[in-house]
Formats: sequence, structure tokens, C-alpha cells
Amino acid sequence: QQQVKQSPQSLIVQKGGISIINCAYENTAFDYFPWYQQFPGKGPALLIAIRPDVSEKKEGRFTISFNKSAKQFSLHIMDSQPGDSATYFCAASDRDDKIIFGKGTRLHILP
Amino acid sequence: EAQVTQNPRYLITVTGKKLTVTCSQNMNHEYMSWYRQDPGLGLRQIYYSMNVEVTDKGDVPEGYKVSRKEKRNFPLILESPSPNQTSLYFCASSLIRGEGYTFGSGTRLTVV
Repeated sequence: QQQVKQSPQSLIVQKGGISIINCAYENTAFDYFPWYQQFPGKGPALLIAIRPDVSEKKEGRFTISFNKSAKQFSLHIMDSQPGDSATYFCAASDRDDKIIFGKGTRLHILP
Repeated sequence: EAQVTQNPRYLITVTGKKLTVTCSQNMNHEYMSWYRQDPGLGLRQIYYSMNVEVTDKGDVPEGYKVSRKEKRNFPLILESPSPNQTSLYFCASSLIRGEGYTFGSGTRLTVV
């Protein structure tokens, strides 16, 4: 099946806390898993991405954790800041460039 | 500046009146896609293109057409728009298959 299930739909985190967003997929043909960040009135922007041969990837305060056997991956935002308040989308794509997005998580960081 | 440019940003049209949303990228990317974004549904792929003259359907292609005659341009055509095509549309491009799409700023389409 082609779905990518993302949770939670919305998330409120205190400044300095850890924000965690989870995604699950079913199609084992997916081989690229990006996260996009979208601010109001803007297009999504690539934040960080991972391939299934790696279990974790870190870029600054953003970390992707990937569990191939469970077909799950998650985004962790350490030391969350008000400027991180945005909508986050996980996605999965296959070799034919067909990409499926999760439905998004609206993150709000309290100052 | 490397970018994906969509036009127009906003469009209000009437049912059945053909329209085209243009998309152009200046990064020499091979891969381009169109998405629609609707509340609660996230981003859904309409069509994608892996190279000039190579296009394929995404998840929601009904009512849309695309063409890829040049590498830089990937217009989205609505031959006979209907109100259920009211949405926010994004064009995107990437250099490597499936990796790191650069998105345009979006086109908000309203069909009345």
C-alpha cells in the first residue's frame, strides 16, 4: 500500500524541549525518506532526509531515526525554538520518483 | 538565485474555462513534479516528469494534464476546471531522482 501515516496532527512543545514527529509506511519499495518544513505562505523546504541503509542521521538540532524492520521513521527536534513553529511533512519515495507525503504535523513552540 | 518559479500566485476562474499554471526552474534539474495541497490531506502528487518528454501520473492525475517539452518548464494544464480543483498547487524540481525537491511558492487556485 502507498500510504505514509504521520502523527501527531498537531504538537505543542515548550521552548527548549524535544519535538518528536512519527511516520510509518507500508511499501518496502520506498528507498528515500525526506522531511520537509513549511511556513505559512511558503512552499515546503527540504529539512533532512535518510536512506534505509542508515538508522540515524543528524543535522544540527534535527535528527531522523529510521527503523527499517518496523517501517517507521521519526523526526526529533532538539532544543526546540519558536522559529521552528511550522508544519512538518514526512515523505517516502521510490525509484520511479513517485513520492507520497504524510498529512503533516503542525508544530507550535511556546516561547 | 536557484529557484522554482510558478505563475500566477493567485487565480480565480470559472468552471470549464481552460487554464495553465506555469512552472520554470533555473537549476537544470531533470526531475519535476506537481502537487496539490488541501487541508487535512497534505501534499498529493498530481504528475511527475523524469526528463524531457517523459511524464507519468501521480496519485491524483484526473482532470489535469502536463507537458515537458523543455527541461526547465513543466506547465500544469486544467482543460475544464471544476470547483473540486480549488486548491493550493506547488511545482517542484530536483537534480537527483526523488532527492531534495525544491518547491515553488505555490499557486492558489479558486474555481467558482
